[in-house]
Amino acid sequence: QVQLQESGPGLVKPSETLSLTCAVSGYSISSGYYWGWIRQPPGKGLEWIGSIYHSGSTYYNPSLKSRVTISVDTSKNQFSLKLSSVTAADTAVYYCARHLYGSGPVDPFDIWGQGTMVTVSS
Amino acid sequence: SYVLTQPPSVSVAPGKTARITCGGNNIGSKSVHWYQQKPGQAPVLVIYYDSDRPSGIPERFSGSNSGNTATLTISRVEAGDEADYYCQVWDSSSDRDVVFGGGTKLTVL
Repeated sequence: QVQLQESGPGLVKPSETLSLTCAVSGYSISSGYYWGWIRQPPGKGLEWIGSIYHSGSTYYNPSLKSRVTISVDTSKNQFSLKLSSVTAADTAVYYCARHLYGSGPVDPFDIWGQGTMVTVSS
Repeated sequence: SYVLTQPPSVSVAPGKTARITCGGNNIGSKSVHWYQQKPGQAPVLVIYYDSDRPSGIPERFSGSNSGNTATLTISRVEAGDEADYYCQVWDSSSDRDVVFGGGTKLTVL
């Protein structure tokens, strides 16, 4: 079955760039679907960061757009998140997930990774 | 930007029916998805496109959406249903944004 696994540093310094990767197994990203990133600060709710199609087409949260880059590497069957100029407010559990169907962000997230905690601190 | 409003908490006795609302301006014109999240776990999709249920989700979970309110209904509530529930929509206006509600903590008494 399809599985997603986030990886990356658990600690990032303020003003630096947060970089995470989501490895996909059980399905070839190049076959379709949109793939997304969602985060959840400790004790708070879910916030969408952005989504990407295998072709590289992207949608970003308007409030984060200036700092976010999501890319896809079909050769490695993974997609990545970069969030620049981080502050303590970016401390959160970061999830990668798949959009059901292939229509785009209108589709729900049907498969999620387990999440990875990223702390922004000096 | 589009805002989804959920009650912070809902309490229900075992065997009763829980209704969790999600309010938004003309939300009935949008497709609503619902997620269940238990402590320390990733969210799980329980209802999508207003009222569809993924395989493996009990029939006790149902959804509706009309006017300014979408509702997740959980019938014959069990202790294992205790969790946070989030509604979510795609706002295709100029912002083009995936929006989550603030979440509702369901407590089984």
